Amino acid sequence: ETGVTQTPRHLVMGMTNKKSLKCEQHLGHNAMYWYKQSAKKPLELMFVYNFKEQTENNSVPSRFSPECPNSSHLFLHLHTLQPEDSALYLCASSQEEGQGDSPLHFGNGTRLTVT
Amino acid sequence: GQSLEQPSEVTAVEGAIVQINCTYQTSGFYGLSWYQQHDGGAPTFLSYNALDGLEETGRFSSFLSRSDSYGYLLLQELQMKDSASYFCAVRDGATNKLIFGTGTLLAVQP
Repeated sequence: ETGVTQTPRHLVMGMTNKKSLKCEQHLGHNAMYWYKQSAKKPLELMFVYNFKEQTENNSVPSRFSPECPNSSHLFLHLHTLQPEDSALYLCASSQEEGQGDSPLHFGNGTRLTVT
Repeated sequence: GQSLEQPSEVTAVEGAIVQINCTYQTSGFYGLSWYQQHDGGAPTFLSYNALDGLEETGRFSSFLSRSDSYGYLLLQELQMKDSASYFCAVRDGATNKLIFGTGTLLAVQP
């Protein structure tokens, strides 16, 4: 298997639930990212990990908690979310963070609905 | 502030040529990228321009003018499968982060 794989593809959760999104990349990249994609809005960068170290927390509420146990795996732990958190959550990887000509490779995303 | 502007929607017919423009405002600049995203799919990288001029890759070309803070994606010989959203992205020089535009939805009609 190659590329960036995200699970689950779809998730419906209540505001009091706790769930986790998983991302795995098989590209040998050293940087991994979480993006939020909402309708009619630009992709919003949430978190960045470079060589397993978090280098960016883009003013994301604490109800979103990332975890990067190694360069191939990235998790996003969710708890007490709000309905406005419903969106497509995209994971991406790149060779290293910040390299201009190093493109992002995205997964297919997790479509999250908070009820 | 940092911002990218691109048209929200473009419609064209099969076989035609379409140009999707992107203007940006960032503090510093490290290059302009383009990504394609089909409905329900992952964004995929199309092109990257760091220097002024035109880069051609098959039916797709990308242009950059740093003095005008402007670039465009040119799609030739349009096919139905080109119907998708196209995002420009700029690496901000101050933060070194990739900033995306809101995307242009391209509809290719028979």
